Amino acid sequence: SQQGEEDPQALSIQEGENATMNCSYKTSINNLQWYRQNSGRGLVHLILIRSNEREKHSGRLRVTLDTSKKSSSLLITASRAADTASYFCATDGGGETSGSRLTFGEGTQLTVNP
Amino acid sequence: DTGVSQDPRHKITKRGQNVTFRCDPISEHNRLYWYRQTLGQGPEFLTYFQNEAQLEKSRLLSDRFSAERPKGSFSTLEIQRTEQGDSAMYLCASSSWGEQFFGPGTRLTVL
Repeated sequence: SQQGEEDPQALSIQEGENATMNCSYKTSINNLQWYRQNSGRGLVHLILIRSNEREKHSGRLRVTLDTSKKSSSLLITASRAADTASYFCATDGGGETSGSRLTFGEGTQLTVNP
Repeated sequence: DTGVSQDPRHKITKRGQNVTFRCDPISEHNRLYWYRQTLGQGPEFLTYFQNEAQLEKSRLLSDRFSAERPKGSFSTLEIQRTEQGDSAMYLCASSSWGEQFFGPGTRLTVL
């Protein structure tokens, strides 16, 4: 079963607005990563946050991690039409599986309307 | 372009045929991963190599699937006796540690 679950499944906003996507997971993690996927294309790595970090920024992206609640959020500020894509969180499990498999959620489909 | 390449990008085959996909990772990355993604879903892990050693296989990887990384560089994923349920996007990724960088994928359609 999928480790991560994104919420909402779909999000539609106007250009310039902020978009927030949430991810919940079930087991302990080494790190959590966010990816973007344009329709029918490969995944683009956005940001990685380690289990001992609480917040991380990269350009217009802000990621938070709450390991006590087993949840993460991705905030995209001042959205653009080009941000339209599916966004996935993926967890890298700790212990023996660290550095091996990523477990993905089902993704949030973000549509940014011009 | 992440630097990970996959070939072919699209493959259409008839049920029962064998297919083979190739992945060329970023050259300095020692870890290579295969995932499968169906429409509307996130990628699902199939298998993982560190150098030439296959260290982990998902139970999704049935006996009809085999993956190799003979010299610790490129990798191949073969599916024997394809079934319609094998239709999916097959994604390859590589890493040295942490971030995994994905290729564009091979879209397989089994008729």
